[in-house]
Amino acid sequence: DAKTTQPNSMESNEEEPVHLPCNHSTISGTDYIHWYRQLPSQGPEYVIHGLTSNVNNRMASLAIAEDRKSSTLILHRATLRDAAVYYCILRDTGNEKLTFGTGTRLTIIP
Amino acid sequence: DTGVSQNPRHKITKRGQNVTFRCDPISEHNRLYWYRQTLGQGPEFLTYFQNEAQLEKSRLLSDRFSAERPKGSFSTLEIQRTEQGDSAMYLCASSLLRDRAVGYTFGSGTRLTVV
Repeated sequence: DAKTTQPNSMESNEEEPVHLPCNHSTISGTDYIHWYRQLPSQGPEYVIHGLTSNVNNRMASLAIAEDRKSSTLILHRATLRDAAVYYCILRDTGNEKLTFGTGTRLTIIP
Repeated sequence: DTGVSQNPRHKITKRGQNVTFRCDPISEHNRLYWYRQTLGQGPEFLTYFQNEAQLEKSRLLSDRFSAERPKGSFSTLEIQRTEQGDSAMYLCASSLLRDRAVGYTFGSGTRLTVV
């Protein structure tokens, strides 16, 4: 599986936008970029995914670089409930398993 | 639908005992996955089912581990002769095959402590 690189931790102030980066320089043409987050004592929760174009949903936006070697998850207005570990995962359409790294631990400062 | 349900939430067992965990997926989901997560690490894939067929197993799934999904509904994960290294969170997830681009839905997990 192609590998992703994320910062170990980030902090953001409440009610401000958060940009969580992910590098995936060895991404292949059939890899989708998926983001999950894991709140304390919970299982991972699907956030968003994309292939080439930027994507928006009710939870977040995903900005994908033109060369697809990096992406950024954008939380438009962070709340305390967004404090979690965020995982950036590459998933080929023919591959059923998700390969998680150690993710980015996001702390929200009130 | 209440999502993916896992029982029990917590299990403490003595080394050498057998344990069994249950996962009830979202009812219309035909794919079911088991993952294991140790402290400070991301979840690791163990195995997955499509309906009742077990289609892939990780090398992490030693011969002490067995998973079943009779009738393609709920699934059980059994660990025989538990070892302290089996202490972890065991997560179950489900998805719908025809929505391959959609994410998985995970349960809240079963935390196993082997003493």
